[in-house]
Amino acid sequence: EPEVTQTPSHQVTQMGQEVILRCVPISNHLYFYWYRQILGQKVEFLVSFYNNEISEKSEIFDDQFSVERPDGSNFTLKIRSTKLEDSAMYFCASTPNPGDSLDGYTFGSGTRLTVV
Amino acid sequence: DAKTTQPNSMESNEEEPVHLPCNHSTISGTDYIHWYRQLPSQGPEYVIHGLTSNVNNRMASLAIAEDRKSSTLILHRATLRDAAVYYCILRYSGAGSYQLTFGKGTKLSVIP
Repeated sequence: EPEVTQTPSHQVTQMGQEVILRCVPISNHLYFYWYRQILGQKVEFLVSFYNNEISEKSEIFDDQFSVERPDGSNFTLKIRSTKLEDSAMYFCASTPNPGDSLDGYTFGSGTRLTVV
Repeated sequence: DAKTTQPNSMESNEEEPVHLPCNHSTISGTDYIHWYRQLPSQGPEYVIHGLTSNVNNRMASLAIAEDRKSSTLILHRATLRDAAVYYCILRYSGAGSYQLTFGKGTKLSVIP
């Protein structure tokens, strides 16, 4: 069964450093998402991406965050200057075409980001 | 976004059926009902979704009330692997980013 692949599985970084979280969505999917989950809390939407641009972003997704799809397969989330409160699990998700309403969303297994 | 209400937790014995309820009294005609689950230390996993009619797949069944104000996820024979947090989510099917909004879900414990 096709999978959404996320790397690395765990990233430790110092406060103020830049991190890039990587995702390889399923190849025929068109919509891509990033979510995060702080330990013990709900899964929160960060950003959605379609047709090489952001289609929606949440209040959490401020100027320190950016996303891109540099090569048609990878989908990355960059955090420019990490803060302690950015420590969380970050999940990538993709879906073929939610407008068709035929498919669910496939999530990756996540990257655990620890900011020290 | 239309809201859903789920019990915080439920217990089931292994190999027995489990009925996980969800109330969504403010659902609109264009909202699809999605169910996901999250096993410990893993990402959310798609279970099933539907609009008006009951749905079955290899993982579960989804029973949708006639007025669509509630739904029930049915696991036919619970296994230890089904212990997870189950999320009932309304997904707007009109134009937009189609993002999912997660609540707190129902934590299902399966007793051997």
